Amino acid sequence: AQTVTQSQPEMSVQEAETVTLSCTYDTSESDYYLFWYKQPPSRQMILVIRQEAYKQQNATENRFSVNFQKAAKSFSLKISDSQLGDAAMYFCALEYGNKLVFGAGTILRVKS
Amino acid sequence: GEEVAQTPKHLVRGEGQKAKLYCAPIKGHSYVFWYQQVLKNEFKFLISFQNENVFDETGMPKERFSAKCLPNSPCSLEIQATKLEDSAVYFCASSQGRTGELFFGEGSRLTVL
Repeated sequence: AQTVTQSQPEMSVQEAETVTLSCTYDTSESDYYLFWYKQPPSRQMILVIRQEAYKQQNATENRFSVNFQKAAKSFSLKISDSQLGDAAMYFCALEYGNKLVFGAGTILRVKS
Repeated sequence: GEEVAQTPKHLVRGEGQKAKLYCAPIKGHSYVFWYQQVLKNEFKFLISFQNENVFDETGMPKERFSAKCLPNSPCSLEIQATKLEDSAVYFCASSQGRTGELFFGEGSRLTVL
């Protein structure tokens, strides 16, 4: 079975600081995608970053980067220079077949 | 369209009533997905379509849930005889290919009283 675990229900970060959200997963597949989605109070699901499992290089999108450790099945999200607009629920997701399996989410609070 | 359009944004039904939700995927996207997000934020995959054909329906509670994607019509998710536990936000998403990025709609919140 494919599972995704986000062990941090809630995280806080000071504006302009860096925060890392953790995600571990389990899959028997060798080829898969991993995603981080952001869900603000508006509930719109916004793709933050994606990683193909066959790529060893960590994905980066502006202030967002991942630390992808395939052997450890770990996929953490680092947000640099945090902004008030980053406050949201963040979901880690694993794609296999054509389905997404989501973690339970981490609420990120940004303090000014 | 350029975005996944879901209607209605909010639907209230009494227990036992029928609920029907609609989704217009992004033009050119071949795959449509329905997910259910319950109050604890947990996402559950319901069903996916490749064009008008069911691709994967392993998540569907078949007794009361049904879904369609017909040509030239919005996709739909219908719940017969709603129950209190059906209260959730139902997200539709579409993608160009079988794998890769999903584009989500804003969701339809179903409240069953």
